[in-house]
Amino acid sequence: DTAVSQTPKYLVTQMGNDKSIKCEQNLGHDTMYWYKQDSKKFLKIMFSYNNKELIINETVPNRFSPKSPDKAHLNLHINSLELGDSAVYFCASSQVFSGNTIYFGEGSWLTVV
Amino acid sequence: DAKTTQPPSMDCAEGRAANLPCNHSTISGNEYVYWYRQIHSQGPQYIIHGLKNNETNEMASLIITEDRKSSTLILPHATLRDTAVYYCIVRANTGTASKLTFGTGTRLQVTL
Repeated sequence: DTAVSQTPKYLVTQMGNDKSIKCEQNLGHDTMYWYKQDSKKFLKIMFSYNNKELIINETVPNRFSPKSPDKAHLNLHINSLELGDSAVYFCASSQVFSGNTIYFGEGSWLTVV
Repeated sequence: DAKTTQPPSMDCAEGRAANLPCNHSTISGNEYVYWYRQIHSQGPQYIIHGLKNNETNEMASLIITEDRKSSTLILPHATLRDTAVYYCIVRANTGTASKLTFGTGTRLQVTL
């Protein structure tokens, strides 16, 4: 069973559209993250939620809105997509009282045309 | 979190040990050394972490110098599947979320 799963794996969409990426973890972790890896392969944190509460919000445009309906899910909604949003988005999770090792999903490839 | 310095690339022959160095001269006393790797088109994969003692698991060994200013990740018998970008990260294990700050890593190429 996949520990951290993301859908869709690939997404091609036009500028100006609104899209969502879903993430689920079955590890029982209480903290979830979204990371972005751009075309230069730099991997940067965007958001982190702990028990549905936002605790890390890096300087990300407010077109990006994470939503955590429960601690096993953290979805990423992106409004008014721009060409520069093209990237690979990784969801991740960790458990604060188990060494905080962070486990990543396989990524969602977003291409904005 | 403290910054790390890694060589941009390394080569290793299959079956030999791969020794990947990392400098973290500004590491704080409460910061751990973590290693992750990213195989092409996959998500980052946790390998190992340690505070000051050497650590070993089924994937690798981590050797941390006594002053904690540098460390080495050892893959004892590298295979072609170990070809990946390896990231050395230092961070404190405090709070409800621990932010991993990735650098540029070392691209390890394992060859026949």
